[in-house]
Amino acid sequence: KNEVEQSPQNLTAQEGEFITINCSYSVGISALHWLQQHPGGGIVSLFMLSSGKKKHGRLIATINIQEKHSSLHITASHPRDSAVYICAATGNQFYFGTGTSLTVIP
Amino acid sequence: DSGVTQTPKHLITATGQRVTLRCSPRSGDLSVYWYQQSLDQGLQFLIQYYNGEERAKGNILERFSAQQFPDLHSELNLSSLELGDSALYFCASSAVNREDTQYFGPGTRLTVL
Repeated sequence: KNEVEQSPQNLTAQEGEFITINCSYSVGISALHWLQQHPGGGIVSLFMLSSGKKKHGRLIATINIQEKHSSLHITASHPRDSAVYICAATGNQFYFGTGTSLTVIP
Repeated sequence: DSGVTQTPKHLITATGQRVTLRCSPRSGDLSVYWYQQSLDQGLQFLIQYYNGEERAKGNILERFSAQQFPDLHSELNLSSLELGDSALYFCASSAVNREDTQYFGPGTRLTVL
């Protein structure tokens, strides 16, 4: 049983495209985190959401608590956005999605 | 640089052995988290410590234990190692809660032969 489901698993986009990654969860949460992991392995926290929407540069994250769903959007994608994006639902502990591997082609 | 340090970067050991991974959190952060990332299981939450006390527990095996010391650094002890324990082990820290932004260390790559 997966408490967090992410889609798509893999995504290839042309530079400049608008990208959406989806995350659905089945557990009660107090927050949802979006993480970015580059090929070298390092992990960076992009957003922490408990409601609504957050924006940082070309990245936008939204969450719908009633529908138990969050999305990560990348506008005007760039090759440097190529990475694995992971959502993590935070409740009594952390539940991770399996990640979305994004490749942006110049 | 996240400000979180982990040592060692790489560790190669044999089955049945015991190892200790070390993590120093960002200055001022009171919570430390340990995660395991393997190819077949993805990222898994192991345990959280807050100011020296265990705060939350995830999928941590009984062979594994952790602690956080008064200076807030943390150690993850892995014993009776099995081949399946080979993975990347990440430490992260946050100011206080699981709802705070987490800062991840570079990870320790453990290989069990």
